[in-house]
Amino acid sequence: AQKVTQAQTEISVVEKEDVTLDCVYETRDTTYYLFWYKQPPSGELVFLIRRNSFDEQNEISGRYSWNFQKSTSSFNFTITASQVVDSAVYFCALSEDDFGNEKLTFGTGTRLTIIP
Amino acid sequence: DAGVTQSPTHLIKTRGQQVTLRCSPKSGHDTVSWYQQALGQGPQFIFQYYEEEERQRGNFPDRFSGHQFPNYSSELNVNALLLGDSALYLCASSKEDRVEGYTFGSGTRLTVV
Repeated sequence: AQKVTQAQTEISVVEKEDVTLDCVYETRDTTYYLFWYKQPPSGELVFLIRRNSFDEQNEISGRYSWNFQKSTSSFNFTITASQVVDSAVYFCALSEDDFGNEKLTFGTGTRLTIIP
Repeated sequence: DAGVTQSPTHLIKTRGQQVTLRCSPKSGHDTVSWYQQALGQGPQFIFQYYEEEERQRGNFPDRFSGHQFPNYSSELNVNALLLGDSALYLCASSKEDRVEGYTFGSGTRLTVV
């Protein structure tokens, strides 16, 4: 069975600080996909990144970066020079590629608060 | 380009009643998934529809059913509502190749009293 653990329930940092959100996953499949989503107070989940299990390259997108390490089953998310607009709940999710069927298994989320 | 549209945004129902939630996928998307998000929790997969058929289902009872129409829109029906069904119900759409990932709607907040 697949599982995603986000051990950090809530994090608060002062604006402009860097912050890393941790994500640890469990799966028996060799082919799988990892995601990060942002959920602002409005409720919709905003897609941030999708990474397949064969691509361990780190990714950077503006102030966001992701570190994927299969050896530790982790897919951590770092926000550099945080801004108040980054305040939201962030979810890590996992899907297993099963002949094109793909459901997302989410972690419990990390509530990030950026203090001005 | 409109994203995923869900209706209604909020709903209050009495225990034992039935409810129907609606979802219009993003333009160009043909796959619709439904998730239940209890307060303070991550979304839980209910089921996924593709080509008007339920393709995959999560661990939800038969009280939860759905439908997809030829225009790819979808409905989620919940019968015999329980207090524990109170949650945010999220609809997500995607293309079959899922390269862009899923696009989520803002959800329907269901309160069962």
